[in-house]
Amino acid sequence: EDQVTQSPEALRLQEGESSSLNCSYTVSGLRGLFWYRQDPGKGPEFLFTLYSAGEEKEKERLKATLTKKESFLHITAPKPEDSATYLCAVPAAGSARQLTFGSGTQLTVLP
Amino acid sequence: GAVVSQHPSRVICKSGTSVKIECRSLDFQATTMFWYRQFPKQSLMLMATSNEGSKATYEQGVEKDKFLINHASLTLSTLTVTSAHPEDSSFYICSARGRVPALGPAYEQYFGPGTRLTVT
Repeated sequence: EDQVTQSPEALRLQEGESSSLNCSYTVSGLRGLFWYRQDPGKGPEFLFTLYSAGEEKEKERLKATLTKKESFLHITAPKPEDSATYLCAVPAAGSARQLTFGSGTQLTVLP
Repeated sequence: GAVVSQHPSRVICKSGTSVKIECRSLDFQATTMFWYRQFPKQSLMLMATSNEGSKATYEQGVEKDKFLINHASLTLSTLTVTSAHPEDSSFYICSARGRVPALGPAYEQYFGPGTRLTVT
């Protein structure tokens, strides 16, 4: 059974203070790893998909990296608007690709 | 690109009534749609998976007679909560998996904004 663990559960940063969120996974065969951002009372917003170890993707202040056991979401010089819950997920085998989500990291960036 | 809408965004209903939630992919065709439930401060829990024109596949513990899913077309899925009770109050989120031509060849899963259901 696929498992996804995120840490820390919550993270408070000062504006401009860079940090990283961790997503470790155990899967029978990696079919990709997804990162989403979720704001309170809203659905998750797609950020990145990573498919192979060593792959990196960037979007504004965010950079996602992938190893064989974990993924990191690096946040460089965060701003208060980056405050949200960040979720990672892995897809199941089969054509439907159901996602198994981690419990998320709630990020708060203080001005 | 990759817009998924849900309607309504909020609904309050009385115990024993039924509520229908619509999920639409607006700018792409969804090969598969998913329905999730999310409790406060918890992650998303998959309820069911549906493909257009076929019966939904429900996750273990989800009552298929209570949560009726219809996937009428490649852009529309509905979730009907039948005989709703207060314990059904939750945040329901749909997602659609497909290829968005404007975003390239990959098939990704995109989420709707969610529906807050309150059963009184």
